[in-house]
Amino acid sequence: QQQVKQSPQSLIVQKGGIPIINCAYENTAFDYFPWYQQFPGKGPALLIAIRPDVSEKKEGRFTISFNKSAKQFSLHIMDSQPGDSATYFCAVGGSQGNLIFGKGTKLSVKP
Amino acid sequence: SQTIHQWPATLVQPVGSPLSLECTVEGTSNPNLYWYRQAAGRGLQLLFYSVGIGQISSEVPQNLSASRPQDRQFILSSKKLLLSDSGFYLCAWAPLGLAGGHKVYFGPGTRLTVT
Repeated sequence: QQQVKQSPQSLIVQKGGIPIINCAYENTAFDYFPWYQQFPGKGPALLIAIRPDVSEKKEGRFTISFNKSAKQFSLHIMDSQPGDSATYFCAVGGSQGNLIFGKGTKLSVKP
Repeated sequence: SQTIHQWPATLVQPVGSPLSLECTVEGTSNPNLYWYRQAAGRGLQLLFYSVGIGQISSEVPQNLSASRPQDRQFILSSKKLLLSDSGFYLCAWAPLGLAGGHKVYFGPGTRLTVT
């Protein structure tokens, strides 16, 4: 059973656009929701994370929106740049276990 | 600051040969340690995790094994590699004891090709 579903699998946007990547989870016990960014040949890097006590968190051009009732959260990248082209992973975590990752979204930002 | 090292960066091994990948973490004590595998174009699969020296938990049955001989050293091994063992192997660490999920930090990875 897939505990976290990430969509879309791939995404192409023009420079300056706002790509949105979505994740949905099953277990209401999860209380930590990070996003990771991975460039080809590199390890994933923690980008931004949110706890369920807030509905939105911004760090620079990256924003997480969180909908607790719908059990969904999303990553928005404002004013996207070609350098943002990477694979993005959502994850869910709780006190009882390890992080569970989504399958990833490959983002391509065209100049 | 904390740093995580993995070596080698790339490795090409024939089927049936042994494997040893090493990971070390600097700048922290008693970390949780993890081994993940990422097949080409795929997600992150947790293979092993460790909460302390000599304590290893396996998430997926396979021909790989892990060991933690020292607090900040994590080793992934195999006695006989299979073609299906090819992939990108990532070591990761997290601070021990964080409640409600924990921040996981990944190393640079080892690209393993089994021929």
